[in-house]
Amino acid sequence: GDSVTQTEGPVTVSESESLIINCTYSATSIAYPNLFWYVRYPGEGLQLLLKVITAGQKGSSRGFEATYNKETTSFHLQKASVQESDSAVYYCALASNTNTGKLTFGDGTVLTVKP
Amino acid sequence: NAGVIQTPRHKVTGKGQEATLWCEPISGHSAVFWYRQTIVQGLEFLTYFRNQAPIDDSGMPKERFSAQMPNQSHSTLKIQSTQPQDSAVYLCASSLWGDNYAEQFFGPGTRLTVL
Repeated sequence: GDSVTQTEGPVTVSESESLIINCTYSATSIAYPNLFWYVRYPGEGLQLLLKVITAGQKGSSRGFEATYNKETTSFHLQKASVQESDSAVYYCALASNTNTGKLTFGDGTVLTVKP
Repeated sequence: NAGVIQTPRHKVTGKGQEATLWCEPISGHSAVFWYRQTIVQGLEFLTYFRNQAPIDDSGMPKERFSAQMPNQSHSTLKIQSTQPQDSAVYLCASSLWGDNYAEQFFGPGTRLTVL
């Protein structure tokens, strides 16, 4: 079946430092699945951060970027300069079934940004 | 817009009792998803409805679990004869179309504890 592997947390960085959370995927039913990053901020529900549905393209939101790399089957999340408000749990996910929006999630990465 | 509403937020049941979890999707959304989150298994897909019809229940345990969507404004997940291993956070999500690139909007979850 489909699977997603991401950086095992927790990850702690200082404010204004750069960040990368690794994500690699395996999709058995489709060559190019749709890829997503979801985020859960403290006290809030899971919400979409960004998505990319075309291999080779980059998605961006709130200063975060992720590039869909079909050669390395990766979708790493990056930010050049993190803020304390970025502290959250980040989930990489894929959707491979064209008939449903069923998401397969990674285990999540807890990010803490120190002031 | 109140977002996806899930009730109750917390439920404690005794082993062998029944638990019913409720979800109210965002008005106008045609797709409803149920997921389960545990420390061991992470976030895993359970089942999916589109326009109230069950489309994919591939993640549902074969016994004791059932889901329904009697109308467009709510869905229920019922667990009969609950067991301690059913303890988890159950998440409901809705999306406009339910295809594999539409953003899913998640509710706050119901934390089920089976004693």
